[in-house]
Parts: sequence; structure tokens; C-alpha cells
Amino acid sequence: DTAVSQTPKYLVTQMGNDKSIKCEQNLGHDTMYWYKQDSKKFLKIMFSYNNKELIINETVPNRFSPKSPDKAHLNLHINSLELGDSAVYFCASSPRISNQPQHFGDGTRLSIL
Amino acid sequence: AQKVTQAQTEISVVEKEDVTLDCVYETRDTTYYLFWYKQPPSGELVFLIRRNSFDEQNEISGRYSWNFQKSTSSFNFTITASQVVDSAVYFCALSEVGAGTALIFGKGTTLSVSS
Repeated sequence: DTAVSQTPKYLVTQMGNDKSIKCEQNLGHDTMYWYKQDSKKFLKIMFSYNNKELIINETVPNRFSPKSPDKAHLNLHINSLELGDSAVYFCASSPRISNQPQHFGDGTRLSIL
Repeated sequence: AQKVTQAQTEISVVEKEDVTLDCVYETRDTTYYLFWYKQPPSGELVFLIRRNSFDEQNEISGRYSWNFQKSTSSFNFTITASQVVDSAVYFCALSEVGAGTALIFGKGTTLSVSS
């Protein structure tokens, strides 16, 4: 069973389009995250949610909007895609108890043409 | 501010060599957590170890071992008798205490093991 699953795995689209990436975890965790990995492999937090409540909102353009319909899901919607948005986006989850290891999804590779 | 530095960008070794990946961190917190993750060529992130700031015991898991030294703010990772399957990018990360706190990652060390 996949613990943290992201869809789609690959996303190729044109500048200016709007797209969404879905994330679901079946681990019963309360906390979910979105990270961005750039072309140099650098990983940086974008958002975190704890039991559907936004905890972290790093300096991310307003074009990025996370949505958590329930604690098992954290989706990422991106408006007006730009070339610089090309990256691998990772979803992760962890238990409410702080600092337990975060379990990552396999990533979504977003390519903007 | 919190920061993680992995000074080694790339390391190349031959199978069966031992290799140490360095990690130096900065934090003002007295309680914090350190992690190592592995990212193989297939791209997923695999958790390897978590260590809290009060536990300076070194840990060994098979061919992997970790050396945590608060005095030098380092959390180094050694692979003994490396294998080709160890080829990956290895990330060291730091987090504060609290639910929903993020991992602060180093820039990663790319390890290439040749046969």
C-alpha cells in the first residue's frame, strides 16, 4: 500500500495554464507538507498543514494555493504557471507528535513549456 | 536562523571503500532534531535516521553509521564498504520542535559508487 501518493507523477503544460497536484496519505497522520525541489536538487518547504489548519506558508507566490479538504489530503493548485515553476514538488506527511520522520510521496515533476 | 551545510557537493568512490558525508548545522534552539534522507536516481526521498539534540549516542545500522557531535554542530554519515546501490543524493535536515514544523534541508551530497 502506498503511504503518501501524489498524482500526477509527471505534468507537462504551457505557461499561463492553471494546474493542480493531488496528495493523499493513508498513514493517519495529522500533518501534511508541500516541498519544492529545484533543478539543483535544493529542497525547500512551501506549506504545512496540521489537521487542515495552515501552519507554514513560506514566501511562495500567491499563484500557489494549497487546499486541505480533510486531514488525509493536501492538494496544490497553481495559477498562471511560469517557467520558473518547473520543479519537482513533493508532498509529505508526519504524525502530530512533533518531529517524527516525514514520509514523502514520490514527487510530481512539473515542466513548463 | 536555522541552516544546514553539506559542504561536499559530489563524492565519487569505488565499491568497498568507506565514505563519510559531512553535515554541519546552525540553530539557536536547545531542542531540535536532525535527519538524513536518501534520494536514489529514481527520485523518491527515503528516510534514514532521526536524532534529537539530547541524544548524542552514535548509531549503527548495518553498513550505515552516524556520528552526532553537538560540540561541533555536526551530524556526519558514514557508509562502510560502499556498494553501487548506495549511489544517490543524500540530504541532511534539521527541524525545530512543534507540529507542522518544516525540515530545513542541506543542499545534498551526490554520492557515486562505481564497480
